[in-house]
Amino acid sequence: EDQVTQSPEALRLQEGESSSLNCSYTVSGLRGLFWYRQDPGKGPEFLFTLYSAGEEKEKERLKATLTKKESFLHITAPKPEDSATYLCAVQADRGSTLGRLYFGRGTQLTVWP
Amino acid sequence: DAGVTQSPTHLIKTRGQQVTLRCSPKSGHDTVSWYQQALGQGPQFIFQYYEEEERQRGNFPDRFSGHQFPNYSSELNVNALLLGDSALYLCASSFLFLTGQDYEQYFGPGTRLTVT
Repeated sequence: EDQVTQSPEALRLQEGESSSLNCSYTVSGLRGLFWYRQDPGKGPEFLFTLYSAGEEKEKERLKATLTKKESFLHITAPKPEDSATYLCAVQADRGSTLGRLYFGRGTQLTVWP
Repeated sequence: DAGVTQSPTHLIKTRGQQVTLRCSPKSGHDTVSWYQQALGQGPQFIFQYYEEEERQRGNFPDRFSGHQFPNYSSELNVNALLLGDSALYLCASSFLFLTGQDYEQYFGPGTRLTVT
């Protein structure tokens, strides 16, 4: 069964203190891995898609990387406005589950001044 | 360019009632997926619609049904509401390529459903 596990569940950082969030996945045939940011009571906001091991993508203070078993979201010198829940999702390339995103439970990030 | 929109924003219903939620996809998108997100959990896939037909379905009972209209907008219907149906219901839109795969799914703001 396709599964996504995110760690840690919660992370508190001081402003400027860099860290990484982890997303480990089990899927038979990965088509894509997606990172989203979600603010309380709102819908997930798309951040990145990664398709193959070794791929990296960056956006401002965020950098996502992918291996065959996990992905990392690196946050460099975070600011309080980076506080949110970060969700990881995978999409399989099997015909029976095309289009379906499998989500982890997310990492709740708090950045304090 | 309008993103994904959903209505209503909030809804309170009583057990046993029926509810209809609505979604308009992002401009240029033709595929709509629905997800349920319970508090503290990641979104769970309900189903996906393309060309007015249900293309994929997650592990949800038949009380959950949907529809897609010719303009690509979609509705989610839930019958015989249970307390456990209380959640944030998210709509996501995407574009389906000839390969049969979509790419990024963009989410709307969600509808918060409370069942009492």
